[in-house]
Amino acid sequence: LAKTTQPISMDSYEGQEVNITCSHNNIATNDYITWYQQFPSQGPRFIIQGYKTKVTNEVASLFIPADRKSSTLSLPRVSLSDTAVYYCLVGRSGAGSYQLTFGKGTKLSVIP
Amino acid sequence: NAGVTQTPKFRILKIGQSMTLQCTQDMNHNYMYWYRQDPGMGLKLIYYSVGAGITDKGEVPNGYNVSRSTTEDFPLRLELAAPSQTSVYFCASSYSRSRQGAGGNTIYFGEGSWLTVV
Repeated sequence: LAKTTQPISMDSYEGQEVNITCSHNNIATNDYITWYQQFPSQGPRFIIQGYKTKVTNEVASLFIPADRKSSTLSLPRVSLSDTAVYYCLVGRSGAGSYQLTFGKGTKLSVIP
Repeated sequence: NAGVTQTPKFRILKIGQSMTLQCTQDMNHNYMYWYRQDPGMGLKLIYYSVGAGITDKGEVPNGYNVSRSTTEDFPLRLELAAPSQTSVYFCASSYSRSRQGAGGNTIYFGEGSWLTVV
């Protein structure tokens, strides 16, 4: 299972772009990279998933370099409501996918 | 579209009591999970199930039991509650495809159950 490393916390002002980087040096060929967001007193929720290069949806972008040993979640123009904990997970569908582990994540604080 | 539903949302137990946290999902997911989250920490996997009739231990199974008699339901049983089981419990589900390259395992979570053991 690929271990992930991400910053414990980040601060940002409203309106800025926030980039959270996750390291996963031992990612396997079939592994996908998934980011979750957790607000206080709620369960985590899926934000974005990717395998390589760049993925964009209505909420965020995910940048994955060619070696796939890291990934960067980009949140454009954050607002106070983006204050949350963000988790980076690496894993695959099928056998073994139940072993996904949530670390402590990155606590993002958006400042007015 | 209800997703993953957990009950109760809040519960206070006395040491030594037992209780069951209920979880049901309406997305026809094959995988279901129970996690616990202590304050300021990440989620730890208690038990998981890859299908009806199949369950297995996760990282922290001691003091808990589960069953999976149907695809939809995955109750978590706490036997002889202890203060160390005070935590927030999250039930989750996902649809995991077996073929290679079928994508990552996207997990959908319930809203959580806050349990205090006194």
